[in-house]
Amino acid sequence: DAGVIQSPRHEVTEMGQEVTLRCKPISGHNSLFWYRQTMMRGLELLIYFNNNVPIDDSGMPEDRFSAKMPNASFSTLKIQPSEPRDSAVYFCASSLSVANYGYTFGSGTRLTVV
Amino acid sequence: AQSVSQHNHHVILSEAASLELGCNYSYGGTVNLFWYVQYPGQHLQLLLKYFSGDPLVKGIKGFEAEFIKSKFSFNLRKPSVQWSDTAEYFCAVPNDYKLSFGAGTTVTVRA
Repeated sequence: DAGVIQSPRHEVTEMGQEVTLRCKPISGHNSLFWYRQTMMRGLELLIYFNNNVPIDDSGMPEDRFSAKMPNASFSTLKIQPSEPRDSAVYFCASSLSVANYGYTFGSGTRLTVV
Repeated sequence: AQSVSQHNHHVILSEAASLELGCNYSYGGTVNLFWYVQYPGQHLQLLLKYFSGDPLVKGIKGFEAEFIKSKFSFNLRKPSVQWSDTAEYFCAVPNDYKLSFGAGTTVTVRA
């Protein structure tokens, strides 16, 4: 298995632009998570999907952030409009059973908003 | 809700020194525990996990962890570190549908 695949690996954008991050979970995994990691705040859970349905989006910072999972093999995290404080590494993770297997993380997208 | 705490924020060692990182979980009962490692510029990867049975768990790259129920602890150890072990280490525990992570311990190994 290729693991959790994220794209792009790096994204540099100007303030105010729309940014879309993509994630392909491991086939058969029914849980998908989006995290943000910064030096100041560490790892933050943004949103959790189970069987493609958003279950908990309480970590989404504000209305500028949205996430979708149209099918079991694809999810997006969109920021519109982007701001410099959104600069971070965004990780996608998937799991078959969190209690038994934990997460498998993707390689992350390093977002820089200038 | 189950949670974990890591008391060491930054550990600096010389190569060949022994490493022990502390992790405590919040309450008893049946508990599964995980250690993840994040090398510089990379993503979190699973080092080892504990479910039940033998309290001494062996993971990848020579790491091991010991589950001590009476101390609510799951400390990570490595007898002799290498420069390539420089990384951030996270302890984690299932909490409802997700993992709760500790704040992480940055380990710097000096050559």
